[in-house]
Amino acid sequence: NAGVTQTPKFRVLKTGQSMTLLCAQDMNHEYMYWYRQDPGMGLRLIHYSVGEGTTAKGEVPDGYNVSRLKKQNFLLGLESAAPSQTSVYFCASSVYSYEQYFGPGTRLTVT
Amino acid sequence: AQSVSQHNHHVILSEAASLELGCNYSYGGTVNLFWYVQYPGQHLQLLLKYFSGDPLVKGIKGFEAEFIKSKFSFNLRKPSVQWSDTAEYFCAVILYNFNKFYFGSGTKLNVKP
Repeated sequence: NAGVTQTPKFRVLKTGQSMTLLCAQDMNHEYMYWYRQDPGMGLRLIHYSVGEGTTAKGEVPDGYNVSRLKKQNFLLGLESAAPSQTSVYFCASSVYSYEQYFGPGTRLTVT
Repeated sequence: AQSVSQHNHHVILSEAASLELGCNYSYGGTVNLFWYVQYPGQHLQLLLKYFSGDPLVKGIKGFEAEFIKSKFSFNLRKPSVQWSDTAEYFCAVILYNFNKFYFGSGTKLNVKP
């Protein structure tokens, strides 16, 4: 099993550009999450999903959109990138309220 | 709002020293508790977890944690650290029957050989 994978691993965007991050899991988990990790701030939840076709906002949802069209995939979109969105993005999945399994992360730089 | 506090932001120890990292949370109901570790350049990995039962839980690599409900704490311990324990450690809490995990801000541990 690959676990949780994320595409791409690195990306550099110019302010105003858009992009989509892809998260895929092969563990048949119901719940999926997107976090951003910034120095000294731990992980902050952006959006999450408790099942195919459902999404909900986390702590810091502004400037991001998500979709969960298939159970195994969770997409994170940036419509108009801003320098404040420079971060490392982690996807995770879980079986309900049990431990989360994390992907390797995507390092995004917005110039 | 719920919160998770890790009071030690940066800890420096010599090999063989004992480790204790503090974690406190602010929710009064039933919680599931976790400690994750992030080695340099890697993703988060689960160290240990507490759902119910014995409040002293043992995890991988010799780590353990004690849940003290009256203090809303879940401190991580290791009797003798190794250089390979150099990493960032995150405490996380999920409120029972809710869907959101809350993470602490992390503690960077630097173990000197």
